[in-house]
Amino acid sequence: DQQVKQNSPSLSVQEGRISILNCDYTNSMFDYFLWYKKYPAEGPTFLISISSIKDKNEDGRFTVFLNKSAKHLSLHIVPSQPGDSAVYFCAASERGRDDKIIFGKGTRLHILP
Amino acid sequence: EADIYQTPRYLVIGTGKKITLECSQTMGHDKMYWYQQDPGMELHLIHYSYGVNSTEKGDLSSESTVSRIRTEHFPLTLESARPSHTSQYLCASRDKWSYNEQFFGPGTRLTVL
Repeated sequence: DQQVKQNSPSLSVQEGRISILNCDYTNSMFDYFLWYKKYPAEGPTFLISISSIKDKNEDGRFTVFLNKSAKHLSLHIVPSQPGDSAVYFCAASERGRDDKIIFGKGTRLHILP
Repeated sequence: EADIYQTPRYLVIGTGKKITLECSQTMGHDKMYWYQQDPGMELHLIHYSYGVNSTEKGDLSSESTVSRIRTEHFPLTLESARPSHTSQYLCASRDKWSYNEQFFGPGTRLTVL
């Protein structure tokens, strides 16, 4: 049973516009959430994270929003750039329990020229 | 800049062969992880280690084994490879003080014929 769900396998966005990637989770004990970015033939790289005590975290063009009541988080990229074309993985963990991170299936983002 | 290395990057072998996938990191991280990922699917944790002489099985059952004799080295071994082992294998590490930001290697894509 998937605990972290990314229901959009792919997303296409015009360069310069906002990209919004969505993620839902089922485990209410998750208290830390992360986004990773992955290019082909490379390992994932950490992008941004958010603790459950916050509802927003911003880092440059990247902002993550967390809605705990809806068990939903989203990653906003604005403005989108060609180098943002990659697969984005949403991930979650329960810090007090163990060291494991649960990953979603990923969303492939295509930035169109 | 993360310094975590995996070799080989690509491996094609026949059924029944014994293989070892290498993973090394130069960051002095105590915690290391092995994930398995099939295309379009989530990363599944198959093994992890909290330090030298510590190894644990992850959430996804795997016929592979691991060892942690040195801090920087976390090899994964398959005694007898089968076509069902065809997948991408990703190694990761993290510092115990940097909660949950794992650094990934580039991965090994294994194909068993």
